[in-house]
Amino acid sequence: EPEVTQTPSHQVTQMGQEVILRCVPISNHLYFYWYRQILGQKVEFLVSFYNNEISEKSEIFDDQFSVERPDGSNFTLKIRSTKLEDSAMYFCASGREDEQYFGPGTRLTVT
Amino acid sequence: KNEVEQSPQNLTAQEGEFITINCSYSVGISALHWLQQHPGGGIVSLFMLSSGKKKHGRLIATINIQEKHSSLHITASHPRDSAVYICAVRNTDKLIFGTGTRLQVFP
Repeated sequence: EPEVTQTPSHQVTQMGQEVILRCVPISNHLYFYWYRQILGQKVEFLVSFYNNEISEKSEIFDDQFSVERPDGSNFTLKIRSTKLEDSAMYFCASGREDEQYFGPGTRLTVT
Repeated sequence: KNEVEQSPQNLTAQEGEFITINCSYSVGISALHWLQQHPGGGIVSLFMLSSGKKKHGRLIATINIQEKHSSLHITASHPRDSAVYICAVRNTDKLIFGTGTRLQVFP
């Protein structure tokens, strides 16, 4: 059964560094999402992406964040200058219409 | 006030018990999802509902659009059902998540 994959599973970075989180969505899906979950808190929406552009973004998704689908298969989330409060689990999801399938997540630790 | 409220926050059950988790929401939705999150963190989609009722094995999910309420039922619960169950509603292009219900089922 096809699934969403994410790399790396765990990323440790220093404050101020740039990180790129990678996702490979399910191949025939058209909608792509990033969510984050700070430890002990609920999952929060970051951004949705459709037809090669951002369709909606949350207040969290400020100028430090960007998304890209560089080659038609990967879907990346870049954080330009990481802060301590960016430490969280980041989930990618893909789907068609209302359904969404989640990747296993990348745990980002900013020190 | 949270747009998606779940109850209870924590639930403990003996193996074999019938379990109900509730979700209420205050925003317009196009669909409601029930998700399962295990201690490792991964999220698995259990159901997507826009009306009525769905059943998969021992799991049943219902939604009442007029009352803005959904329930997830687990029949004949088993220790492997222990996880966090999350209700999430689709509002425009995003999902809005509840805080989750932590279920522990003891043998």
